[in-house]
Amino acid sequence: DTGVSQDPRHKITKRGQNVTFRCDPISEHNRLYWYRQTLGQGPEFLTYFQNEAQLEKSRLLSDRFSAERPKGSFSTLEIQRTEQGDSAMYLCASSLRGFEQYFGPGTRLTVT
Amino acid sequence: GQQLNQSPQSMFIQEGEDVSMNCTSSSIFNTWLWYKQDPGEGPVLLIALYKAGELTSNGRLTAQFGITRKDSFLNISASIPSDVGIYFCAGQLKEAGSYNTDKLIFGTGTRLQVFP
Repeated sequence: DTGVSQDPRHKITKRGQNVTFRCDPISEHNRLYWYRQTLGQGPEFLTYFQNEAQLEKSRLLSDRFSAERPKGSFSTLEIQRTEQGDSAMYLCASSLRGFEQYFGPGTRLTVT
Repeated sequence: GQQLNQSPQSMFIQEGEDVSMNCTSSSIFNTWLWYKQDPGEGPVLLIALYKAGELTSNGRLTAQFGITRKDSFLNISASIPSDVGIYFCAGQLKEAGSYNTDKLIFGTGTRLQVFP
């Protein structure tokens, strides 16, 4: 399977803990995106990278959130001091030209 | 966050019927995309549209990029049970100046249920 992969698929954590998610894009894609989706809503943009450069960040990405793409391949999204409001599906997507974005299966985060 | 207006919110149809859903905005978009999402999974890209007025098909699916660049519709012909899911429109806003964002803005979704 050469699609976008995300790990883990599910994460349950206690409020106040830090969590980190990983995304591996489609191999030839240089653009990588993070979105967040809450129940009953469409995905909302968080941030994106072209190669290793983080080009845009949403106001949704508070100081507790940080994303990296150190070598322009995989990316990590870290949430520090998790809150119950962080519970959501975190989706990663990748693209070659920026138009067609292909999504991974997502990481479902539950903060208790 | 900003989301597109998508309608209808849900549809309950008989297998074999045709389906139509649309997405509207007060803003101009450079691209329109249509995705299908199954429970617990990520959205799957169905169709991408790049030019105003463009009409594109993918099997039983047909989508159009509105002439005003503020809307798009998706038609599904001869629905089958595996068409069940949530359909999202998504678009890339035309930003002021020369900057073109990659950011996708999503619609609120149309939940499709198909009965045999």
